[in-house]
Amino acid sequence: DGGITQSPKYLFRKEGQNVTLSCEQNLNHDAMYWYRQDPGQGLRLIYYSQIVNDFQKGDIAEGYSVSREKKESFPLTVTSAQKNPTAFYLCASSIGTTGYGYTFGSGTRLTVV
Amino acid sequence: QKEVEQDPGPLSVPEGAIVSLNCTYSNSAFQYFMWYRQYSRKGPELLMYTYSSGNKEDGRFTAQVDKSSKYISLFIRDSQPSDSATYLCAMSASGKLIFGQGTELSVKP
Repeated sequence: DGGITQSPKYLFRKEGQNVTLSCEQNLNHDAMYWYRQDPGQGLRLIYYSQIVNDFQKGDIAEGYSVSREKKESFPLTVTSAQKNPTAFYLCASSIGTTGYGYTFGSGTRLTVV
Repeated sequence: QKEVEQDPGPLSVPEGAIVSLNCTYSNSAFQYFMWYRQYSRKGPELLMYTYSSGNKEDGRFTAQVDKSSKYISLFIRDSQPSDSATYLCAMSASGKLIFGQGTELSVKP
């Protein structure tokens, strides 16, 4: 079955550590996205990539980094520069860029301890 | 001012009620309008998709878009406890999807 796999489901980070969230899709979608979800704030765009080896900052990119070396993979690194990283992180992919047909992963819950 | 505004609720209704969820937006460039449903600790799933103004119906769900008023709605008829979830409106322009804050809906048996 085609879909998006995010791992791990839960992640704990110590202060000052970098952590990487994995996102893999086998839908042959060109575009991939990372969103952050906080209570009462909906989904906010962190980074997106419409093609391999290219990506753009979203609305809240500070303290995050990404790479897109393969079409199937779009990992997100939460760096120590992100001052409030505790949140629910969602990865998505789409065939085109009209907004139609986004498929979301099941999310990673990141907690700072 | 946010580009997309949505009342976060929470909204609680009895089973069988008609539910109305709404979003307003400020960017006239938005062309595609969507409603997503998100169950707790899960990723959102696409519920309805509309392009331009008008109505679209799918079973118990009806989506309305009024571009002149920059206002979209989702109606749920004969609501069921299984409809309890967070509903997110979303709109796209320039290849990016912008979400509302989400409305938490609870349908009581």
